[in-house]
Amino acid sequence: DTAVSQTPKYLVTQMGNDKSIKCEQNLGHDTMYWYKQDSKKFLKIMFSYNNKELIINETVPNRFSPKSPDKAHLNLHINSLELGDSAVYFCASSVTGSEQYFGPGTRLTVT
Amino acid sequence: SQQGEEDPQALSIQEGENATMNCSYKTSINNLQWYRQNSGRGLVHLILIRSNEREKHSGRLRVTLDTSKKSSSLLITASRAADTASYFCATDQKTSYDKVIFGPGTSLSVIP
Repeated sequence: DTAVSQTPKYLVTQMGNDKSIKCEQNLGHDTMYWYKQDSKKFLKIMFSYNNKELIINETVPNRFSPKSPDKAHLNLHINSLELGDSAVYFCASSVTGSEQYFGPGTRLTVT
Repeated sequence: SQQGEEDPQALSIQEGENATMNCSYKTSINNLQWYRQNSGRGLVHLILIRSNEREKHSGRLRVTLDTSKKSSSLLITASRAADTASYFCATDQKTSYDKVIFGPGTSLSVIP
């Protein structure tokens, strides 16, 4: 029943490792997003895909690479993790121009 | 640069009181949205108001939009302890529906 799901919910890893976060939506939306929320709760858009095509790529280090195998999935791969990557990452989806539905978040801790 | 900014940053009220949060933005928009985030959870959409609308209601929520002042307000009437959360406004840019920018949020505490 979950509309937007993310896995894992928690991710603890060491600096330098590579990790992935997966996101799936079953709402039939055409647009999916990745956001990063820092410790002060500031939410910043990282990427947006529309029908599997990258349409927004904010000033994010190229260590972050999104991949959309189909309209319902948008995964985020992070290479060479750094301390500053510690944050909560949210996936969201929407019909273009309408309200967004957010996943529960993935809390990434880099040690 | 940040599109939306909420005011106040934090608000503490007694249960039953009304809570008002404000949002200001910088560029022309297609629509403005308000979201709620409970601690440790994802954001939940509350209400969307389009640039040609001035006021919108949803249950105990009332949102106003003043495009001439580039500002919006969210009023929660008869607040409940369960309304304790962070509230974010989000705006898109006239040139891009898909790029939604969130403000830093208002942290609301409703004391029973």
